Amino acid sequence: DMKVTQMPRYLIKRMGENVLLECGQDMSHETMYWYRQDPGLGLQLIYISYDVDSNSEGDIPKGYRVSRKKREHFSLILDSAKTNQTSVYFCASSLLGGQNTLYFGAGTRLSVL
Amino acid sequence: QQKVQQSPESLIVPEGGMASLNCTFSDRNSQYFWWYRQHSGEGPKALMSIFSNGDKKEGRFTAHLNKASLHVSLHIKDSQPSDSALYFCADNTGNYKYVFGAGTRLKVIA
Repeated sequence: DMKVTQMPRYLIKRMGENVLLECGQDMSHETMYWYRQDPGLGLQLIYISYDVDSNSEGDIPKGYRVSRKKREHFSLILDSAKTNQTSVYFCASSLLGGQNTLYFGAGTRLSVL
Repeated sequence: QQKVQQSPESLIVPEGGMASLNCTFSDRNSQYFWWYRQHSGEGPKALMSIFSNGDKKEGRFTAHLNKASLHVSLHIKDSQPSDSALYFCADNTGNYKYVFGAGTRLKVIA
């Protein structure tokens, strides 16, 4: 089954707490992504991972870091979360190359109070 | 920086009507163009891709690409209430980076 799974689906944290968002895929895709979605801004790219331990900043990496120790698993970490990081976060995966479909997870809705 | 502009921001069409969505991209090196659809509470799902100039039809959906004018569009014929969703266009220059527009919110009313 071609699936991207995100955990948790909903998360409430206080400002200054650390946040871990997890993503898994069962398609053996080399490339994985983290996006955030805010009303009127569409999907903004936070980080790209080309494979295990091979990550690159996207357009809005400030305040975030990532970890990919296994091909099927990609984590997004917020150290000392800020209120402006309240958003919906999506993980996606694809085969290499722009001609390939991006498969998205269902998202994690994060509220930082 | 690579940008994708979508219009309109929102669109209401009657059931059975035609919906037309537009995107203008900024990078002449863009090679691959995608339409994604997102229903409320879900992640985006790929609707269709178009890589060559001209039209591509899949069922009720037709995409049109004009690389010279940096324009891609999506036309939905015989719109259904289930087509109500947020639609994104995205382009890719052939590297790993997909750039998304801000989205068009389509509502189909019965």
